[in-house]
Amino acid sequence: DIQMTQSPSSLSASVGDRVAITCRASQSIGTYLNWYQQRPGKAPKLLIYAASSLQFDVSSRFSGSGSGTDFTLTITSLQPEDFATYYCQQSYSPLYSFGQGTKLEIK
Amino acid sequence: VQLVESGGGLVQPGGSLRLSCEASGFTFSAYEMAWVRQAPGKGLEWLSFVSTGGGTRHYADSVKGRFTISRDNGRNSLFLQMNSLRIEDTAIYYCAREDSTEGPYSGSPPYQYMDVWGKGTTVIVSS
Repeated sequence: DIQMTQSPSSLSASVGDRVAITCRASQSIGTYLNWYQQRPGKAPKLLIYAASSLQFDVSSRFSGSGSGTDFTLTITSLQPEDFATYYCQQSYSPLYSFGQGTKLEIK
Repeated sequence: VQLVESGGGLVQPGGSLRLSCEASGFTFSAYEMAWVRQAPGKGLEWLSFVSTGGGTRHYADSVKGRFTISRDNGRNSLFLQMNSLRIEDTAIYYCAREDSTEGPYSGSPPYQYMDVWGKGTTVIVSS
Protein backbone atom coordinates (compact mmCIF):
# COMPACT_ATOMS: atom_id res chain seq x y z
CA ASP A 1 0.00 0.00 0.00
CA ILE A 2 1.09 3.56 -0.68
CA GLN A 3 1.53 5.69 2.44
CA MET A 4 1.04 9.44 2.24
CA THR A 5 2.72 11.69 4.82
CA GLN A 6 1.92 15.37 5.17
CA SER A 7 3.94 18.03 6.94
CA PRO A 8 3.43 19.92 9.03
CA SER A 9 0.48 18.37 10.88
CA SER A 10 -0.59 21.84 11.96
CA LEU A 11 0.35 25.33 10.93
CA SER A 12 -0.44 28.80 12.29
CA ALA A 13 -0.55 31.75 9.93
CA SER A 14 -2.09 35.18 9.55
CA VAL A 15 -4.50 36.60 7.00
CA GLY A 16 -2.47 37.70 3.99
CA ASP A 17 0.35 35.20 4.56
CA ARG A 18 1.66 32.65 2.06
CA VAL A 19 1.86 29.05 3.28
CA ALA A 20 3.05 25.75 1.87
CA ILE A 21 1.99 22.23 2.85
CA THR A 22 4.00 19.25 1.73
CA CYS A 23 2.96 15.68 0.98
CA ARG A 24 5.33 12.76 0.51
CA ALA A 25 4.42 9.40 -0.99
CA SER A 26 6.09 6.16 0.09
CA GLN A 27 6.78 5.35 -3.58
CA SER A 28 6.72 7.25 -6.83
CA ILE A 29 3.18 8.16 -7.90
CA GLY A 30 3.96 10.36 -10.91
CA THR A 31 1.52 13.24 -10.75
CA TYR A 32 -1.44 11.16 -9.51
CA LEU A 33 -1.98 13.42 -6.54
CA ASN A 34 -5.05 15.39 -5.42
CA TRP A 35 -5.58 18.00 -2.71
CA TYR A 36 -8.76 18.58 -0.70
CA GLN A 37 -9.89 21.21 1.79
CA GLN A 38 -12.21 20.38 4.68
CA ARG A 39 -13.78 23.04 6.84
CA PRO A 40 -15.11 22.03 10.29
CA GLY A 41 -18.35 20.08 10.08
CA LYS A 42 -18.30 20.07 6.28
CA ALA A 43 -17.56 17.54 3.56
CA PRO A 44 -14.19 17.67 1.81
CA LYS A 45 -13.83 19.86 -1.27
CA LEU A 46 -11.55 19.14 -4.22
CA LEU A 47 -8.95 21.87 -4.77
CA ILE A 48 -6.24 20.44 -7.04
CA TYR A 49 -6.08 17.29 -9.17
CA ALA A 50 -3.25 15.75 -11.14
CA ALA A 51 -0.79 17.50 -8.80
CA SER A 52 -1.18 20.95 -10.33
CA SER A 53 -4.56 21.34 -12.07
CA LEU A 54 -6.90 23.76 -10.33
CA GLN A 55 -10.50 22.58 -9.95
CA PHE A 56 -12.82 24.96 -11.82
CA ASP A 57 -14.48 26.62 -8.81
CA VAL A 58 -11.33 27.08 -6.73
CA SER A 59 -9.51 30.37 -6.17
CA SER A 60 -6.25 30.92 -8.06
CA ARG A 61 -4.60 31.62 -4.68
CA PHE A 62 -4.29 27.83 -4.46
CA SER A 63 -1.61 26.05 -6.46
CA GLY A 64 -0.06 22.60 -6.50
CA SER A 65 3.31 21.32 -7.65
CA GLY A 66 5.51 18.25 -7.55
CA SER A 67 5.91 14.82 -9.04
CA GLY A 68 7.27 11.46 -8.06
CA THR A 69 7.21 11.36 -4.27
CA ASP A 70 7.21 15.01 -3.20
CA PHE A 71 4.34 17.45 -3.62
CA THR A 72 3.41 20.90 -2.35
CA LEU A 73 0.16 22.80 -1.91
CA THR A 74 0.74 26.56 -1.77
CA ILE A 75 -1.81 29.12 -0.65
CA THR A 76 -1.06 32.78 -1.22
CA SER A 77 -2.68 35.79 0.43
CA LEU A 78 -4.51 33.73 3.05
CA GLN A 79 -8.15 34.63 3.55
CA PRO A 80 -10.28 33.86 6.64
CA GLU A 81 -12.14 31.10 4.77
CA ASP A 82 -8.86 29.28 4.04
CA PHE A 83 -8.39 28.26 7.66
CA ALA A 84 -9.30 24.59 7.43
CA THR A 85 -7.73 21.14 7.21
CA TYR A 86 -6.02 20.06 4.00
CA TYR A 87 -5.51 16.51 2.75
CA CYS A 88 -3.48 15.04 -0.07
CA GLN A 89 -4.65 11.81 -1.74
CA GLN A 90 -2.97 9.52 -4.25
CA SER A 91 -4.82 7.90 -7.15
CA TYR A 92 -1.81 6.07 -8.60
CA SER A 93 -2.84 2.82 -6.92
CA PRO A 94 -6.43 1.51 -7.22
CA LEU A 95 -6.33 1.45 -3.41
CA TYR A 96 -6.43 5.17 -2.80
CA SER A 97 -4.92 6.69 0.33
CA PHE A 98 -5.00 10.07 2.06
CA GLY A 99 -2.39 11.92 4.03
CA GLN A 100 -3.15 12.45 7.71
CA GLY A 101 -4.13 16.06 7.16
CA THR A 102 -2.67 19.51 7.89
CA LYS A 103 -4.70 21.84 10.07
CA LEU A 104 -4.23 25.49 9.13
CA GLU A 105 -5.07 27.78 12.03
CA ILE A 106 -5.23 31.52 12.48
CA LYS A 107 -2.27 32.99 14.35
CA VAL B 1 -25.30 18.13 -8.79
CA GLN B 2 -25.93 16.47 -5.44
CA LEU B 3 -25.22 13.36 -3.41
CA VAL B 4 -27.31 12.53 -0.35
CA GLU B 5 -26.31 9.73 2.01
CA SER B 6 -28.69 7.91 4.33
CA GLY B 7 -28.88 4.78 6.44
CA GLY B 8 -26.53 5.68 9.24
CA GLY B 9 -27.37 5.05 12.87
CA LEU B 10 -26.48 3.24 16.06
CA VAL B 11 -25.61 -0.45 15.78
CA GLN B 12 -24.09 -2.98 18.14
CA PRO B 13 -20.67 -4.53 17.50
CA GLY B 14 -21.03 -7.46 15.13
CA GLY B 15 -24.13 -5.97 13.57
CA SER B 16 -24.90 -4.85 10.03
CA LEU B 17 -25.97 -1.64 8.34
CA ARG B 18 -26.65 -0.64 4.75
CA LEU B 19 -25.80 2.87 3.64
CA SER B 20 -27.35 4.50 0.58
CA CYS B 21 -26.28 7.46 -1.51
CA GLU B 22 -28.78 9.01 -3.91
CA ALA B 23 -27.38 11.02 -6.80
CA SER B 24 -29.08 13.82 -8.71
CA GLY B 25 -28.20 16.48 -11.25
CA PHE B 26 -25.81 14.37 -13.31
CA THR B 27 -25.74 11.15 -15.30
CA PHE B 28 -25.01 8.75 -12.44
CA SER B 29 -24.29 5.77 -14.69
CA ALA B 30 -21.40 7.62 -16.36
CA TYR B 31 -19.36 8.07 -13.19
CA GLU B 32 -17.34 5.83 -10.96
CA MET B 33 -18.16 6.21 -7.28
CA ALA B 34 -16.44 5.86 -3.92
CA TRP B 35 -17.01 5.73 -0.17
CA VAL B 36 -14.78 7.59 2.27
CA ARG B 37 -15.12 7.78 6.05
CA GLN B 38 -13.89 9.98 8.87
CA ALA B 39 -13.70 8.74 12.45
CA PRO B 40 -14.36 11.33 15.17
CA GLY B 41 -11.50 13.81 15.29
CA LYS B 42 -9.52 11.87 12.69
CA GLY B 43 -8.56 12.21 9.06
CA LEU B 44 -10.13 10.91 5.87
CA GLU B 45 -9.97 7.20 5.07
CA TRP B 46 -10.77 5.90 1.59
CA LEU B 47 -12.89 2.74 1.79
CA SER B 48 -14.13 1.54 -1.56
CA PHE B 49 -14.52 2.17 -5.30
CA VAL B 50 -16.97 0.89 -7.88
CA SER B 51 -16.79 1.23 -11.65
CA THR B 52 -19.61 2.63 -13.75
CA GLY B 53 -21.19 -0.75 -14.42
CA GLY B 54 -20.39 -2.22 -11.04
CA GLY B 55 -18.06 -4.88 -12.40
CA THR B 56 -14.88 -3.55 -10.80
CA ARG B 57 -14.68 -2.96 -7.08
CA HIS B 58 -11.79 -2.13 -4.78
CA TYR B 59 -11.63 -2.09 -0.99
CA ALA B 60 -9.31 -0.82 1.70
CA ASP B 61 -7.74 -3.59 3.76
CA SER B 62 -9.58 -2.31 6.85
CA VAL B 63 -12.98 -3.23 5.39
CA LYS B 64 -12.23 -5.93 2.82
CA GLY B 65 -14.38 -9.00 3.44
CA ARG B 66 -16.78 -7.09 5.69
CA PHE B 67 -18.08 -4.28 3.46
CA THR B 68 -19.59 -4.55 -0.01
CA ILE B 69 -20.05 -1.66 -2.42
CA SER B 70 -22.75 -1.79 -5.07
CA ARG B 71 -24.79 0.48 -7.28
CA ASP B 72 -28.15 0.60 -9.02
CA ASN B 73 -27.85 2.87 -12.05
CA GLY B 74 -31.59 2.66 -12.68
CA ARG B 75 -32.19 4.20 -9.28
CA ASN B 76 -29.21 6.58 -9.36
CA SER B 77 -28.03 5.05 -6.12
CA LEU B 78 -24.84 3.82 -4.51
CA PHE B 79 -24.79 1.44 -1.55
CA LEU B 80 -22.42 0.21 1.11
CA GLN B 81 -23.38 -2.99 2.92
CA MET B 82 -21.46 -3.12 6.19
CA ASN B 83 -21.29 -6.40 8.10
CA SER B 84 -19.41 -7.52 11.22
CA LEU B 85 -19.22 -3.94 12.40
CA ARG B 86 -16.58 -2.97 14.93
CA ILE B 87 -16.32 -0.08 17.35
CA GLU B 88 -13.55 1.38 15.17
CA ASP B 89 -16.01 1.62 12.25
CA THR B 90 -17.68 4.54 14.05
CA ALA B 91 -17.40 7.46 11.65
CA ILE B 92 -19.09 9.81 9.23
CA TYR B 93 -19.44 8.02 5.91
CA TYR B 94 -19.26 10.07 2.72
CA CYS B 95 -20.07 9.02 -0.80
CA ALA B 96 -18.15 10.76 -3.56
CA ARG B 97 -18.32 10.99 -7.33
CA GLU B 98 -15.14 10.22 -9.23
CA ASP B 99 -14.30 12.24 -12.27
CA SER B 100 -11.33 11.65 -14.53
CA THR B 101 -9.15 13.28 -17.16
CA GLU B 102 -6.56 11.92 -19.54
CA GLY B 103 -3.32 10.76 -17.99
CA PRO B 104 0.01 12.42 -18.68
CA TYR B 105 1.02 10.22 -21.61
CA SER B 106 -0.66 8.22 -24.34
CA GLY B 107 -1.74 4.93 -22.81
CA SER B 108 -1.23 5.99 -19.20
CA PRO B 109 -4.10 5.58 -16.72
CA PRO B 110 -6.41 8.57 -16.38
CA TYR B 111 -6.16 11.00 -13.53
CA GLN B 112 -9.01 10.29 -11.12
CA TYR B 113 -10.31 12.51 -8.35
CA MET B 114 -13.35 12.84 -6.11
CA ASP B 115 -15.04 16.04 -7.24
CA VAL B 116 -18.52 15.86 -5.68
CA TRP B 117 -19.19 14.80 -2.09
CA GLY B 118 -22.29 14.22 -0.04
CA LYS B 119 -22.74 15.71 3.43
CA GLY B 120 -22.22 12.32 5.05
CA THR B 121 -24.16 9.96 7.27
CA THR B 122 -23.06 9.02 10.80
CA VAL B 123 -22.52 5.44 11.90
CA ILE B 124 -22.00 4.69 15.59
CA VAL B 125 -20.98 1.19 16.61
CA SER B 126 -21.49 0.75 20.33
CA SER B 127 -22.97 -1.67 22.82
